Amino acid sequence: EAGVTQFPSHSVIEKGQTVTLRCDPISGHDNLYWYRRVMGKEIKFLLHFVKESKQDESGMPNNRFLAERTGGTYSTLKVQPAELEDSGVYFCASSQDPETYLNTEAFFGQGTRLTVV
Amino acid sequence: AQSVTQLGSHVSVSEGALVLLRCNYSSSVPPYLFWYVQYPNQGLQLLLKYTTGATLVKGINGFEAEFKKSETSFHLTKPSAHMSDAAEYFCAVLGSSASKIIFGSGTRLSIRP
Repeated sequence: EAGVTQFPSHSVIEKGQTVTLRCDPISGHDNLYWYRRVMGKEIKFLLHFVKESKQDESGMPNNRFLAERTGGTYSTLKVQPAELEDSGVYFCASSQDPETYLNTEAFFGQGTRLTVV
Repeated sequence: AQSVTQLGSHVSVSEGALVLLRCNYSSSVPPYLFWYVQYPNQGLQLLLKYTTGATLVKGINGFEAEFKKSETSFHLTKPSAHMSDAAEYFCAVLGSSASKIIFGSGTRLSIRP
């Protein structure tokens, strides 16, 4: 069974440009999460999809970030325009159970390392 | 609000020595606690979790953690370190919303031959 896949693994862009990160969850997993780790600090929650609906987007830092999950399969996270402080590692995770962290676990991808210069 | 503090951003132990990674939490409700590990070039992997019941939790690869309410701690231990344990370890607590977990800043574990 394929795990959670994220593209690209690395991205270097200039300040002001747009970047789109993609996450392919494990097949059949309705729950999809985005997290990010900025500059070696703690990993912070961004948002949670259930199928194509945003269940919780309380962690999205500002309106430069747009997450979508059309059709309830893969998800994209767009940063437009990118700023220097957006540099970090963006993780995606998926699970089948809505009570993810209690009943099962979230399976994480290896992350996309974004560098804004 | 829930939060997690990991003491020591970098811990180095000799192969065969005890591994102890410290984690303290803050939670206004009974906490659900987790340890995750990230090996080089891999995603986060769940090591173990505490929800209810037995306070000593055993995980994969010989790791275990003990929930101590009186000390608000959830330290991770392994009796004998192996070179393959070199990784970054994250302690986490379930957030007020079941949608998310709140991570600590991570502890990088190095193993000396």
